[in-house]
Amino acid sequence: EPEVTQTPSHQVTQMGQEVILRCVPISNHLYFYWYRQILGQKVEFLVSFYNNEISEKSEIFDDQFSVERPDGSNFTLKIRSTKLEDSAMYFCASSENGGRSNQPQHFGDGTRLSIL
Amino acid sequence: AQSVTQPDIHITVSEGASLELRCNYSYGATPYLFWYVQSPGQGLQLLLKYFSGDTLVQGIKGFEAEFKRSQSSFNLRKPSVHWSDAAEYFCAVGADTDKLIFGTGTRLQVFP
Repeated sequence: EPEVTQTPSHQVTQMGQEVILRCVPISNHLYFYWYRQILGQKVEFLVSFYNNEISEKSEIFDDQFSVERPDGSNFTLKIRSTKLEDSAMYFCASSENGGRSNQPQHFGDGTRLSIL
Repeated sequence: AQSVTQPDIHITVSEGASLELRCNYSYGATPYLFWYVQSPGQGLQLLLKYFSGDTLVQGIKGFEAEFKRSQSSFNLRKPSVHWSDAAEYFCAVGADTDKLIFGTGTRLQVFP
């Protein structure tokens, strides 16, 4: 069964450094998402992306964050200048359709980001 | 605003016992509802979904869930729990936009 893959599985970065988290969505999917889960808390939506542009973002997704689909397969999340509070598990997800459709979001295994 | 409540933070059951995990949502219309499972160190795996139609939906691993509009609930059930079902279970709602809104999760512990 096709799946969403994320790399790396664990990223350790010094505070203030830039970090890029990578995702390969399922190949025929058109909508892409990033979520994060701070340790012990619930999964929170960050951003959705369709047709090479952001379709929705949360208040968490401030100017330090950006997303990009640099080629036909990868979908990346960049944090420009990391803060301690960015430490979390970051999940990528994809779906065939977005919004009020009957296609669910499929999640990757996540990247654990640790900021020192 | 849409929201999801999972009132049980932690549930412990014996292997072979039945299971019900509670989920309540807040949304004005009929939402799209999901249950995901997260094993330790793993991602979120979709167990089942409700979009419309039959209010009792079947999922993978022997799970089922029932949508009850009058109670704004979407409880997850399994008649006989296996030790491998120990994990964190998340209820989520999809509403007007692309994003999913998750509950805080219920951690299931299974004793032999």
